[in-house]
Amino acid sequence: DAGVIQSPRHEVTEMGQEVTLRCKPISGHDYLFWYRQTMMRGLELLIYFNNNVPIDDSGMPEDRFSAKMPNASFSTLKIQPSEPRDSAVYFCASSSDWDRVSAKNIQYFGAGTRLSVL
Amino acid sequence: GQQVMQIPQYQHVQEGEDFTTYCNSSTTLSNIQWYKQRPGGHPVFLIQLVKSGEVKKQKRLTFQFGEAKKNSSLHITATQTTDVGTYFCAGLLSGTYKYIFGTGTRLKVLA
Repeated sequence: DAGVIQSPRHEVTEMGQEVTLRCKPISGHDYLFWYRQTMMRGLELLIYFNNNVPIDDSGMPEDRFSAKMPNASFSTLKIQPSEPRDSAVYFCASSSDWDRVSAKNIQYFGAGTRLSVL
Repeated sequence: GQQVMQIPQYQHVQEGEDFTTYCNSSTTLSNIQWYKQRPGGHPVFLIQLVKSGEVKKQKRLTFQFGEAKKNSSLHITATQTTDVGTYFCAGLLSGTYKYIFGTGTRLKVLA
């Protein structure tokens, strides 16, 4: 498997524009996570899905952020309108299952999308 | 809200010296994972600890989970330049399917 694939790797946009980040999880993985990483706030969980259904979106900063998972092999994180404070590295991760004691809940991270909002 | 703090935030060591990072949670954790992120890279899973007081070793790395399941540590013996990166702990909140990542410790190894 190629691992978790994210696109684009880098995105530079102007304030007010819509930004869409994409993620393809590892085939067969039932859980998908979106994280944001900044120097100030570290690695924050934004939202996670189980079997394409959003389970916990309490980390989504505000209504400008939305995430979808239309099928098991694709997810998007959209920011509309974007603001300079959204500049960060956004990671997508997936895991095969959820078991407190097994290795099934290891999260495999994609390479990330570095977003710069000017 | 729930927080997972790590200390130190940064650590510079000479190659061959030991290194330890500590992870502390404000709440009891179901389990804890450790990840390593190389500069410019993404977090990569290292290990998972589940039981109270558990100790696991991976070559020069020793991981420990506290008795109260609220703290953990990672110790590297005789650091090498390949150990450079940021080490994160991630705690699974009891009763949830949510991992909270620690603030991370950035390790720099001087040759």
